[in-house]
Order: sequence, then structure tokens, then C-alpha cells
Amino acid sequence: DTGVSQDPRHKITKRGQNVTFRCDPISEHNRLYWYRQTLGQGPEFLTYFQNEAQLEKSRLLSDRFSAERPKGSFSTLEIQRTEQGDSAMYLCASSLEDNGYTFGSGTRLTVV
Amino acid sequence: GENVEQHPSTLSVQEGDSAVIKCTYSDSASNYFPWYKQELGKRPQLIIDIRSNVGEKKDQRIAVTLNKTAKHFSLHITETQPEDSAVYFCAASKGHTGNQFYFGTGTSLTVIP
Repeated sequence: DTGVSQDPRHKITKRGQNVTFRCDPISEHNRLYWYRQTLGQGPEFLTYFQNEAQLEKSRLLSDRFSAERPKGSFSTLEIQRTEQGDSAMYLCASSLEDNGYTFGSGTRLTVV
Repeated sequence: GENVEQHPSTLSVQEGDSAVIKCTYSDSASNYFPWYKQELGKRPQLIIDIRSNVGEKKDQRIAVTLNKTAKHFSLHITETQPEDSAVYFCAASKGHTGNQFYFGTGTSLTVIP
């Protein structure tokens, strides 16, 4: 499968725990994005990387959230001290320059 | 920032009829407008896109129109089939200046056989 891969597909965690998600983009894509989607809503932008540089972060990305893309390949999104409001689908997408995104299947986070 | 509004939120059509979903945007600097289809529990998939230098684009049964002056764009699906049933999202972005997508709230389309 040469699409965008995300791991894990589902994550259930207790409030206050830290979680980390991984995204492997399409190999030739230089841009990588993280979005969050809650039920019945469109995806909301969190952050984006061009190669290894994090160029933009949404105000939705509080100081409990951090994203990295070492070496411009895969990316990780970490949420510290999870809250129930963090429960959502976390979508990763990649693109080549200004073209449309290819989304991954997402990681569904449930905070209990 | 950009604000994208999408209507209707739900749409039911008979198989074979046409479906139209409309979006408006607020930032005149937006120049790229993709449409995504999301089936239940699956990833959003790009179905068609249009750039601001084009007024209309068609791909088989799917077409998108753009009115830059009025800042609105629409998705048209003709000869609908049950497999067209899904949630459709429009989005707007400024393309090369950041490429952050601002998504609409989605339209749940049901095609009745």
C-alpha cells in the first residue's frame, strides 16, 4: 500500500495519560498535515510540515500537543495529559506542493 | 481567517437524479477548492478540485463550478447512484502560500434506490 499510513487505528486512554500517534506519508510528498475531526464536523487544521520544518500551527494546538517530523519523513503527534475533549479522529495527510491532499485512515482517540 | 460554509447539511435524492452541494468562502485570497467524499468510518478522499483561474471543471458524472466574484463554489453530481451516498466536504485554501485547508461542515448525501 503506497498511501498514507497511520498507527494506531484506535487508541483508548485514561484521562491524564500521554499518547503518541505516527503517520507515514506518501514517500515523494514533501508536505505533511495533521487534522482533527469530531463527529459531524469537517476536519480542522492542526499543523503542517514542509519537509522537516513545521511551518504553521493552529491555535487549536495547545501546549499539550507537539508534532515532529524528523528527517522530513514520518511524523509523530503527541498529546500530553489527555483530556476528554481530545477525543476525536486524528487525520494525517500528505501532498506534493500545492496539490490536493491524500488522507490517511486516521487514529481514533477515545479518552475515558 | 477563512470561513467556509456548506449547504445543505443533509440531502436525499432518488437514484438517477442530480445532487447539488453549495459552499461559500470569505477570503478572496483563497485560490484552490477541493471536494472530498467520506464514507462512514473511512478516510476523506479527493474527488475533484478547482483552481481560481478556472470557472468549471468536469470529471464524468461530477462537476464543480466556481464564482470568484460571489465567492461560492458548487459540486454537481449527475445520474446519482447508491454508491454516491456519503458525506461530502468542500474546502478552500490559499495554495502555495500555506495550503492549510478550511473545510465546510459537510453534506450527508443519501441516494435512494
